[in-house]
Amino acid sequence: AQKVTQAQTEISVVEKEDVTLDCVYETRDTTYYLFWYKQPPSGELVFLIRRNSFDEQNEISGRYSWNFQKSTSSFNFTITASQVVDSAVYFCALSEANTDKLIFGTGTRLQVFP
Amino acid sequence: DAGVIQSPRHEVTEMGQEVTLRCKPISGHDYLFWYRQTMMRGLELLIYFNNNVPIDDSGMPEDRFSAKMPNASFSTLKIQPSEPRDSAVYFCASKGVSYEQYFGPGTRLTVT
Repeated sequence: AQKVTQAQTEISVVEKEDVTLDCVYETRDTTYYLFWYKQPPSGELVFLIRRNSFDEQNEISGRYSWNFQKSTSSFNFTITASQVVDSAVYFCALSEANTDKLIFGTGTRLQVFP
Repeated sequence: DAGVIQSPRHEVTEMGQEVTLRCKPISGHDYLFWYRQTMMRGLELLIYFNNNVPIDDSGMPEDRFSAKMPNASFSTLKIQPSEPRDSAVYFCASKGVSYEQYFGPGTRLTVT
């Protein structure tokens, strides 16, 4: 069965701090896809990144970076030098290759204080 | 390019009334998904379509919920009759040849 666990319910940091959001997944498939979405206070869900199971290279996009480790079934998200605009709920999600369904974690609420 | 469009953005209705939520996917996307978000249950998939055909409706709560996709550019999610426990944010998402889904702004439904 598929499952995504985001153990951190809420994280609070002060601006310019680095913060890592954890994501642990479970799947029996060898081919799968992992995603991160951002939900700001305005409510929309914004796609951030997709990672394929056969590509374990870490990715960096500006202040955002993602660490994918199959050995620990984790796909963690780090924000460097956080800003107030990063305040949002962040969701990790999983999709197996033989289905188009997205299974979401429960989300981590990040609050960045000035 | 326009993203996924949903209407209405907010809907307040009384218990027992029919509610219809609408979605226009991104042009060229052949998958359409309906999700519901609540504090208690988080984000849950209700139903999804591929090329206008329902593929999996196992997430639809009960017979009061129905969804249609009459053409590639329009889908509806209907609740009849509505109940207070249906209050939630309903998201529509679409997907093309890549694997990521793009979400609409959501419809916040309140049933009193």
